[in-house]
Amino acid sequence: DAGVTQTPRHEVAEKGQTIILKCEPVSGHNDLFWYRQTKIQGLELLSYFRSKSLMEDGGAFKDRFKAEMLNSSFSTLKIQPTEPKDSAVYLCASRDNYAEQFFGPGTRLTVL
Amino acid sequence: GDSVTQTEGQVTVSESKSLIINCTYSATSIGYPNLFWYVRYPGEGLQLLLKVITAGQKGSSRGFEATYNKEATSFHLQKASVQESDSAVYYCALSAGTQVVGQLTFGRGTRLQVYA
Repeated sequence: DAGVTQTPRHEVAEKGQTIILKCEPVSGHNDLFWYRQTKIQGLELLSYFRSKSLMEDGGAFKDRFKAEMLNSSFSTLKIQPTEPKDSAVYLCASRDNYAEQFFGPGTRLTVL
Repeated sequence: GDSVTQTEGQVTVSESKSLIINCTYSATSIGYPNLFWYVRYPGEGLQLLLKVITAGQKGSSRGFEATYNKEATSFHLQKASVQESDSAVYYCALSAGTQVVGQLTFGRGTRLQVYA
């Protein structure tokens, strides 16, 4: 079985650019999560979808971060405009109902 | 909100020695949270190591154990004899007792370095 796929694995952006990160969850999973990981804050939840419906939009991340789930097998996280403080690893995870979350390898974003 | 506090930074242990990584939590939701340990080995993604959803129970996997102590609000990770292959970053996490929400709240992570 394929696990969670994330692309790209690395992204470098200039301040002010728009970037789109992609995630393909495990086939058949109903829940999808986006997290951001930094050394200072650790892992923080950005968005949570259940059966493609947005359940949690991450509060403080709303203004420049937008996650979408276009279909049950594909999600995007758009950051617009990017700022240097957005440099982090972005993790996508999926879950089958109330089972464990499976994580992707992450996308390392560097904003110059 | 919910929070998880675990041993900070890096822990360095000699091979075959015992290990404990401390984890305490605070959960504001009604009911007891579900508790997890996740691990990220070098070059790999985050993966579940063990989980316990019932207070008082112990979870175990790959020689690691953790007991859900609701009185002390702790979920320490222990191993009697570590191996070099255990070198990784370990994360303690919880999810709210109400499964409708269920997102994970993570600790900051503890890097374990085992040397021969």
